[in-house]
Amino acid sequence: GAVVSQHPSRVICKSGTSVKIECRSLDFQATTMFWYRQFPKKSLMLMATSNEGSKATYEQGVEKDKFLINHASLTLSTLTVTSAHPEDSSFYICSAKTGIRLLQETQYFGPGTRLLVL
Amino acid sequence: QKEVEQDPGPLSVPEGAIVSLNCTYSNSAFQYFMWYRQYSRKGPELLMYTYSSGNKEDGRFTAQVDKSSKYISLFIRDSQPSDSATYLCAIRGSSNTGKLIFGQGTTLQVKP
Repeated sequence: GAVVSQHPSRVICKSGTSVKIECRSLDFQATTMFWYRQFPKKSLMLMATSNEGSKATYEQGVEKDKFLINHASLTLSTLTVTSAHPEDSSFYICSAKTGIRLLQETQYFGPGTRLLVL
Repeated sequence: QKEVEQDPGPLSVPEGAIVSLNCTYSNSAFQYFMWYRQYSRKGPELLMYTYSSGNKEDGRFTAQVDKSSKYISLFIRDSQPSDSATYLCAIRGSSNTGKLIFGQGTTLQVKP
């Protein structure tokens, strides 16, 4: 159980275009999903927290107009990188929080999306 | 001072060795502790989850938490080449946001 999928797994796009990444919880409902960015040989950097039916909460330094997050249902969150530039090239990973009681909550991660902006 | 400190390694051991991975944290309010394994170009995979001091065992893996010292460990017994990966400790507090704070990750290589 607790499977999270991401689509696409990798994408190459031209500078200036927008890219949408989907994150789905396949066998559970996730009221909260998280979006991370990871640079080579670095740890995960939390970008934003996405709650179903409400606006995402962005971490300091993350441009909310550039990284649009939509959490339309309990099993789907999307991250759209708008007007992508080469410096946006990175590994983007989502996670979904599961568990009803606080003690049982943890995060399960998707397989990640590798974005390359040319 | 970082909230979570983890030696990035790399750590190289022979097959069959016992591996010890460690993290320290600064905030005594942290209550939940996790270890994730991440293979290259893949998403992190949850290995262990614990919220109390002491040991928790799952197969070849043992997670240890010492809240008094703010120190957590992951032990891998009889290490295998397939254990070669980056291991990330993750810690969260009691707030309902569910945000995790990750260590830098330790890269482990198990040589056959």
